[in-house]
Amino acid sequence: AQSVTQPDIHITVSEGASLELRCNYSYGATPYLFWYVQSPGQGLQLLLKYFSGDTLVQGIKGFEAEFKRSQSSFNLRKPSVHWSDAAEYFCAVGGTPDSWGKFQFGAGTQVVVTP
Amino acid sequence: SQTIHQWPATLVQPVGSPLSLECTVEGTSNPNLYWYRQAAGRGLQLLFYSVGIGQISSEVPQNLSASRPQDRQFILSSKKLLLSDSGFYLCAWSGGGFNTEAFFGQGTRLTVV
Repeated sequence: AQSVTQPDIHITVSEGASLELRCNYSYGATPYLFWYVQSPGQGLQLLLKYFSGDTLVQGIKGFEAEFKRSQSSFNLRKPSVHWSDAAEYFCAVGGTPDSWGKFQFGAGTQVVVTP
Repeated sequence: SQTIHQWPATLVQPVGSPLSLECTVEGTSNPNLYWYRQAAGRGLQLLFYSVGIGQISSEVPQNLSASRPQDRQFILSSKKLLLSDSGFYLCAWSGGGFNTEAFFGQGTRLTVV
């Protein structure tokens, strides 16, 4: 069965510093991968997605993610964080042939931005 | 454009009372529909998903049920709420197929007291 792991439950970063959030997946083939962001009390907003092709994916709000097949990873990065980036971030796997119509999320990483 | 509506935004219900949360999607047809629950400090747990009218798949045995009476309507129900049913419930839709993302509603904060 497929699974998604976000090893970091909580990350604190200074405003202006770089940010990297880790995501590892377990699946026999290349899944479709997503990163979502959730502000407190809100729904989830898609940051970016990877289906195929270029392994470096650009998203909204200055985020990017890199798919590394050899490491089964899809890490999210931002070169310089803003206070508004404080939120919870979820990695997700979806739409794989043996789980069509389903999305599976990691446990999430809470990002705190300090002045 | 497509929109998803989920209501109510917040709900406080006593233990043993029934529950009905509704989700509707506009601007698309035959969407895949999902109910997720997000408990405090935990990730999103897929509860139910549906690929068509009357087709419901349950992911986790629990005190809840789901129904899809119309193409773009997805309802989450319970006959008798438990304290453990408290959480943040999110409805989502996707366009079907392998390579489409899920779009989320704003969520319902359910507190069972």
